Amino acid sequence: DTEVTQTPKHLVMGMTNKKSLKCEQHMGHRAMYWYKQKAKKPPELMFVYSYEKLSINESVPSRFSPECPNSSLLNLHLHALQPEDSALYLCASSQRLAGGLLSTGELFFGEGSRLTVL
Amino acid sequence: AQTVTQSQPEMSVQEAETVTLSCTYDTSESDYYLFWYKQPPSRQMILVIRQEAYKQQNATENRFSVNFQKAAKSFSLKISDSQLGDAAMYFCAYMPKIIFGKGTRLHILP
Repeated sequence: DTEVTQTPKHLVMGMTNKKSLKCEQHMGHRAMYWYKQKAKKPPELMFVYSYEKLSINESVPSRFSPECPNSSLLNLHLHALQPEDSALYLCASSQRLAGGLLSTGELFFGEGSRLTVL
Repeated sequence: AQTVTQSQPEMSVQEAETVTLSCTYDTSESDYYLFWYKQPPSRQMILVIRQEAYKQQNATENRFSVNFQKAAKSFSLKISDSQLGDAAMYFCAYMPKIIFGKGTRLHILP
């Protein structure tokens, strides 16, 4: 199994809603990532978890709250989002992080969750 | 700070022809990895090819090969015998800092 599965594929929410994005991998990877991608732009790193601990938070607003319940699952909780948060949210995993907390290996990406904030 | 530059926002190539996508990077590190990722219109980003900086030999994967010039900090991707399925955004990436270039959109002309 070399898949990273993301749900839902599409999500529309209002600015007062609370929703969650989910990501799952069964490759035994111990590093998991959330990226935000706007149209025709590269992915922007948001969070990195290593061995279920938050390793990197790229100054993301607190309305985005990541959670890593176990080594296979990664969630992104959304609350009080703004229309400019509308984007494709990509989850990725890699085998491990290097000693400096950053990846040296291949990232496996999910198909993404397309989020629209009204 | 490390940077990755893709200077070609869009490129087009005739089916069955060869095309080269450019990528340059800047780093003071001696040990790092470089990747080319492909993101078709269906969205999922997939790895095309990887290169370890300590390896002098250029990586190849079937129709995809790289020209890695470490001294020049250049990492171009050559696609031979282009196929319609090669149409996608291509991102050059640097690890371990996890930096992506801005991408090159590749169009394949029938």
